[in-house]
Amino acid sequence: DQQVKQNSPSLSVQEGRISILNCDYTNSMFDYFLWYKKYPAEGPTFLISISSIKDKNEDGRFTVFLNKSAKHLSLHIVPSQPGDSAVYFCAVLGITGNQFYFGTGTSLTVIP
Amino acid sequence: SQTIHQWPATLVQPVGSPLSLECTVEGTSNPNLYWYRQAAGRGLQLLFYSIGIDQISSEVPQNLSASRPQDRQFILSSKKLLLSDSGFYLCAWSRQARTPLHFGNGTRLTVT
Repeated sequence: DQQVKQNSPSLSVQEGRISILNCDYTNSMFDYFLWYKKYPAEGPTFLISISSIKDKNEDGRFTVFLNKSAKHLSLHIVPSQPGDSAVYFCAVLGITGNQFYFGTGTSLTVIP
Repeated sequence: SQTIHQWPATLVQPVGSPLSLECTVEGTSNPNLYWYRQAAGRGLQLLFYSIGIDQISSEVPQNLSASRPQDRQFILSSKKLLLSDSGFYLCAWSRQARTPLHFGNGTRLTVT
């Protein structure tokens, strides 16, 4: 049973425009959310996180938005750069506070 | 600073052979440790996690096992590999509190 879903397997965006990646989760008890970036044949790299007491967290070009009522989070990248081309995973911390569950990923291509 | 080492980077094993993948973390003590697998075209599946020596939880019953013989060492094993065990295996660590996971560079396992 997939607890975290990323319904868009791929996304293409022009350089300089905004990239919006989406993620839905099933359990309203989840309270810590993360985004990771992954290049082929490498481990994922942590990008940004947000706890459920906030609805927005910003770090440079990356902003994560959390809509608790909709059980939805999104990652905005602006402006998008070719080096941002990678697979992006959202993740949630399970209710016991130890397990991290990941979505299936969205492959972002930023076109120069 | 903390670093995580995972080896080997690639491995080709015949069906029915044993498996041992090793992961060590440096620069921190008593980390939470994790094994994930990414099958082709799939997301990151949590296999095992450990909150301390000899404290290991299994997320998915299968052909694999994990051990934590030392505080910062996590080993993934199998007595007899199956074709379906092929994938990209990732070790990760986190601090005890609600903090991000940090991944190793992964092991590409191909079972032939």
